[in-house]
Amino acid sequence: DQQVKQNSPSLSVQEGRISILNCDYTNSMFDYFLWYKKYPAEGPTFLISISSIKDKNEDGRFTVFLNKSAKHLSLHIVPSQPGDSAVYFCAASRMIKAAGNKLTFGGGTRVLVKP
Amino acid sequence: KAGVTQTPRYLIKTRGQQVTLSCSPISGHRSVSWYQQTPGQGLQFLFEYFSETQRNKGNFPGRFSGRQFSNSRSEMNVSTLELGDSALYLCASSLGQGSETQYFGPGTRLLVL
Repeated sequence: DQQVKQNSPSLSVQEGRISILNCDYTNSMFDYFLWYKKYPAEGPTFLISISSIKDKNEDGRFTVFLNKSAKHLSLHIVPSQPGDSAVYFCAASRMIKAAGNKLTFGGGTRVLVKP
Repeated sequence: KAGVTQTPRYLIKTRGQQVTLSCSPISGHRSVSWYQQTPGQGLQFLFEYFSETQRNKGNFPGRFSGRQFSNSRSEMNVSTLELGDSALYLCASSLGQGSETQYFGPGTRLLVL
């Protein structure tokens, strides 16, 4: 049972335009969400996170939106740059100390930014 | 601050052997989690250690085990290796106060022949 899904396996966007990545989750117990960027044969790099008490979080070119009723979050990258070409993973967890630190990942979206 | 380090970076083993991977977390981080990445299954949680105790465990067979030392460094061991264990093994560290940002190491690429 895939609790976190990224339905678009790939995305191609022109440099300077907006990249929008989507993520859906099914487990209503998730209340902390993260986006990671990953290059081949490297570990994921943290980009941005959001807790369920917010519906938007912004950090530079990256903005994450959370729609709890729809169990949906999205990552906006504006403007997109060629260096943003990578695989992006959405991850979810529960913000309870007793639950420990388990991230549940989506399948990833490969982004290609064309110059 | 130094990031999460993992050793070795690459490893080739044969079926039936065992392997031990090592992870050193960011200074001050007490939680270490391990993940497996394969093309077919994506990124999957193996287990988490906090204060030398396993606090959380994923759905992997008992051949996969781990431990954490008093300095928060962690090791994971895979016994009786199978071809399907070929993967990128990632270690992540965090403060351990609950769901929070985990910072990943570069991973260990394991190839089982």
